Amino acid sequence: AQRVTQPEKLLSVFKGAPVELKCNYSYSGSPELFWYVQYSRQRLQLLLRHISRESIKGFTADLNKGETSFHLKKPFAQEEDSAMYYCALSVRGGATNKLIFGTGTLLAVQP
Amino acid sequence: DGGITQSPKYLFRKEGQNVTLSCEQNLNHDAMYWYRQDPGQGLRLIYYSQIVNDFQKGDIAEGYSVSREKKESFPLTVTSAQKNPTAFYLCASSMWVGTGELFFGEGSRLTVL
Repeated sequence: AQRVTQPEKLLSVFKGAPVELKCNYSYSGSPELFWYVQYSRQRLQLLLRHISRESIKGFTADLNKGETSFHLKKPFAQEEDSAMYYCALSVRGGATNKLIFGTGTLLAVQP
Repeated sequence: DGGITQSPKYLFRKEGQNVTLSCEQNLNHDAMYWYRQDPGQGLRLIYYSQIVNDFQKGDIAEGYSVSREKKESFPLTVTSAQKNPTAFYLCASSMWVGTGELFFGEGSRLTVL
């Protein structure tokens, strides 16, 4: 079955500390993974996708097929990074095309 | 001003009543989606539509219905058959199904009394 697991509901770090938001997936096909972010009082929006291998707002994420993981990392957290982060998996096959989300991790960056 | 517009933002209904949530987009996207967001459960897919006059059930379609008569519009009806309708509902669109790049609305919070 297709599944996205984010084991941490809440991650609290101090400003300047490294951040790693964990994401593991289960999928028999070729995975396409994404990170979405929802800042307070804002819409959910795409942060980055594994296929573009880019860094957005200092965040990076590497797809590790061996460990079936797509962890989101940032070397030095900023207070403005405080938000809800969702990992998502694109599932495609036959008549099925959908994006499955994890349960989310709330990142709280303390001053 | 392009984007996804959901209405109403807040809605209260009595148990047993059907309610329809509106979702309109002017991004010229083919695909549209409805998700339900509950604390601790993330986003769960209710229905999605790949193109006009087509839609498919997501993971939690029971008690919901949709229509896609126009490209711009994808309304969601929460029927009385939905056992736990109080939730935050998010509509989204994408250029085509399978891109993974979804554009979301601001959401509608439904409370059933």
